[in-house]
Amino acid sequence: DAKTTQPTSMDCAEGRAANLPCNHSTISGNEYVYWYRQIHSQGPQYIIHGLKNNETNEMASLIITEDRKSSTLILPHATLRDTAVYYCIVFGAAGNKLTFGGGTRVLVKP
Amino acid sequence: EADIYQTPRYLVIGTGKKITLECSQTMGHDKMYWYQQDPGMELHLIHYSYGVNSTEKGDLSSESTVSRIRTEHFPLTLESARPSHTSQYLCASSGTSPLHFGNGTRLTVT
Repeated sequence: DAKTTQPTSMDCAEGRAANLPCNHSTISGNEYVYWYRQIHSQGPQYIIHGLKNNETNEMASLIITEDRKSSTLILPHATLRDTAVYYCIVFGAAGNKLTFGGGTRVLVKP
Repeated sequence: EADIYQTPRYLVIGTGKKITLECSQTMGHDKMYWYQQDPGMELHLIHYSYGVNSTEKGDLSSESTVSRIRTEHFPLTLESARPSHTSQYLCASSGTSPLHFGNGTRLTVT
């Protein structure tokens, strides 16, 4: 499974959009981009995933570049409760070993 | 929504004891995973399984063992607990849906 790189940390003002980048330059054609977040030491929570088209759900939007080598998770109106560690991972249906990187520690400030 | 349960939620145990951390899921997922996570650190894959009677070691060497006798059950065992095993252990499962995590077991070995 392809590796990803993310910034270590990011601050965001409450009410503003938070844009979280992720690089996955070695992604293969059948691998999806997944985003999870982990609040305190709870189990990671699924946010969104996509293959090549942009995706949106009630939590966030996912923008994937045309070459699929990078993506951006957008939290449209960040709240204090969005403070968490956000993980970008790539995973294909045939893959069995799903590994996480260090993620981005997002701090939403009032 | 996948349901995945881990017990116990917290465990404090003395050195040398044998312990089993339980993980069960009700969605019939083939793939299950165990991750180890120290406070503030990233998740490390220690074991995974892609079906009944299959188990594989993950990226992080672990003295624990796992078994997969039934689809829904993926217990992790430490034959002789040591203080170095103090950590949080997170179980996850996936089928065709995204990875779903339990809330973890926080283990303290004294």
